[in-house]
Amino acid sequence: GQNIDQPTEMTATEGAIVQINCTYQTSGFNGLFWYQQHAGEAPTFLSYNVLDGLEEKGRFSSFLSRSKGYSYLLLKELQMKDSASYLCAVAFTGGGNKLTFGTGTQLKVEL
Amino acid sequence: EAGVAQSPRYKIIEKRQSVAFWCNPISGHATLYWYQQILGQGPKLLIQFQNNGVVDDSQLPKDRFSAERLKGVDSTLKIQPAKLEDSAVYLCASTRFLGQGTDTQYFGPGTRLTVL
Repeated sequence: GQNIDQPTEMTATEGAIVQINCTYQTSGFNGLFWYQQHAGEAPTFLSYNVLDGLEEKGRFSSFLSRSKGYSYLLLKELQMKDSASYLCAVAFTGGGNKLTFGTGTQLKVEL
Repeated sequence: EAGVAQSPRYKIIEKRQSVAFWCNPISGHATLYWYQQILGQGPKLLIQFQNNGVVDDSQLPKDRFSAERLKGVDSTLKIQPAKLEDSAVYLCASTRFLGQGTDTQYFGPGTRLTVL
């Protein structure tokens, strides 16, 4: 199988910056997604990376290094509403747009 | 643009009973996915349709799970008979995707199934 690894839990302070890492096997890589999922709700799309580098979208940025099989999601100016699970999902070639998800990183933002 | 619709939102059944979930994807989206998300885990793909054909059902427990998308629009996922370990959220997602490449999947609100 294709393992997607990310930390289970993280805690950060309101107003701070947090980086959530994701690693995956590089063979057949065809794109990486980050989704946000609040408790009891559906995952919502945050970002997509297929080329190396940083993609910035407001307070959220996502970075990809294809050679290292590594991505991170950077959240700036944390707000209480950012408390959620952050899912890393990878598309592999031959998968017909199928995504393999990590277990998610539960982020808790504290005052 | 309306999002992915799912019903019911919640369902409680006893083991060995049957249950069905319904999904209506975003209008014009050719590809539809059913995922199972067990508490504390990421979504796991059960089945992928493109129009009314099955693209991938390799992780669908076919002895008890079935799914159809007869007219290439809405879809039904059925479990018969249910087991305790089927307790999970069942998510439906859709994309415009018609060929190779990677397209963003948009998720519905999910159906939370509890099997007692």
